Amino acid sequence: DQQVKQNSPSLSVQEGRISILNCDYTNSMFDYFLWYKKYPAEGPTFLISISSIKDKNEDGRFTVFLNKSAKHLSLHIVPSQPGDSAVYFCAASARGGADGLTFGKGTHLIIQP
Amino acid sequence: EAGVAQSPRYKIIEKRQSVAFWCNPISGHATLYWYQQILGQGPKLLIQFQNNGVVDDSQLPKDRFSAERLKGVDSTLKIQPAKLEDSAVYLCASSLTGAYTEAFFGQGTRLTVV
Repeated sequence: DQQVKQNSPSLSVQEGRISILNCDYTNSMFDYFLWYKKYPAEGPTFLISISSIKDKNEDGRFTVFLNKSAKHLSLHIVPSQPGDSAVYFCAASARGGADGLTFGKGTHLIIQP
Repeated sequence: EAGVAQSPRYKIIEKRQSVAFWCNPISGHATLYWYQQILGQGPKLLIQFQNNGVVDDSQLPKDRFSAERLKGVDSTLKIQPAKLEDSAVYLCASSLTGAYTEAFFGQGTRLTVV
């Protein structure tokens, strides 16, 4: 049973436009959500996070939105740049992040020039 | 600040052999995790340590996998005997203790069992 779902295996976006990556979760105990970026042959790199008491968190070009009632979060990247091409993983944790992370399968983002 | 160090980067073994992976977390990080990432999947938590105590090993196949974290710093993950389905990238991560802190990952060890 997948508790964190990323239903789009891949996404292609033109350089300069907005990239929107989506994630759904089923476990109501999750209260901390993170996005990681992964390049080939490297470990995941932390990008941005949000706790369940917020509905939005921004860091430069990256914004994460959380809709608790829908159990849905999204990552917006504006504007998209070629270096953003990578696999993006959505992850969730319970107990304020004290539990280990549960990951989705990832979305491969391709930024087209 | 040095990141999470893992070795080896790559390992090829035959089924039924044993293998060990090593991890050195970021200095001062009390929490250490081992994840298994099978091709096409997201990382799956195998075991979580807080200092040198186990917090969660519910997804660790204990008949063949073992892990230890001596002195609350470095950690080793062992597989004995290995099966074909153990082929994966094994990722170590560490984090500060406390609420809402992110985990930092190492580069991983790619294991191929033939």
